[in-house]
Amino acid sequence: DAGITQSPRHKVTETGTPVTLRCHQTENHRYMYWYRQDPGHGLRLIHYSYGVKDTDKGEVSDGYSVSRSKTEDFLLTLESATSSQTSVYFCAITASGTIGELFFGEGSRLTVL
Amino acid sequence: SQQGEEDPQALSIQEGENATMNCSYKTSINNLQWYRQNSGRGLVHLILIRSNEREKHSGRLRVTLDTSKKSSSLLITASRAADTASYFCATDAANFGNEKLTFGTGTRLTIIP
Repeated sequence: DAGITQSPRHKVTETGTPVTLRCHQTENHRYMYWYRQDPGHGLRLIHYSYGVKDTDKGEVSDGYSVSRSKTEDFLLTLESATSSQTSVYFCAITASGTIGELFFGEGSRLTVL
Repeated sequence: SQQGEEDPQALSIQEGENATMNCSYKTSINNLQWYRQNSGRGLVHLILIRSNEREKHSGRLRVTLDTSKKSSSLLITASRAADTASYFCATDAANFGNEKLTFGTGTRLTIIP
């Protein structure tokens, strides 16, 4: 299994509070991604990173920010959580940004009350 | 918007039977990938087929790609109870790589022992 750890795995928070999800990898892969998974929508890309301090927006980036200060860590921050951000968040990594399989973490289930 | 859409949304078959699921997409692609997701887990890569390939095999999996129809099918032969999972196709738009990898909504496959 690819060395990807997401934390926390489960979190319940209240509307308006900040939340940070962490993705940690031990594979030294260059590319890291944050997806959210919702019923009826499949997986949708939030943000991705193609190197340390190099990030870009995905399809559903509004309300989210990311940071990558080290190769192994990719943080997803919800500055002020809303109920619409209740979802399961997946981190994925890959060595290649042009072709190849993604390796996924086990997911972080976030509930915003 | 979803690039790929799987069909059917749900499929139940008897163990030992073959399972076929389909994926349709909208724009030209470089590659198409299939992933499996067990309940409560992250996605696992199954197979990748390039746009210049028409068919690919991996164990009990057979994937076809018809770029003229913008569709792909995943066939699982001699199904087993362990194949019970959701299956997703993922495509990368031509001229983009994994940063534009978009997932369909998935087919939920149930194998009845």
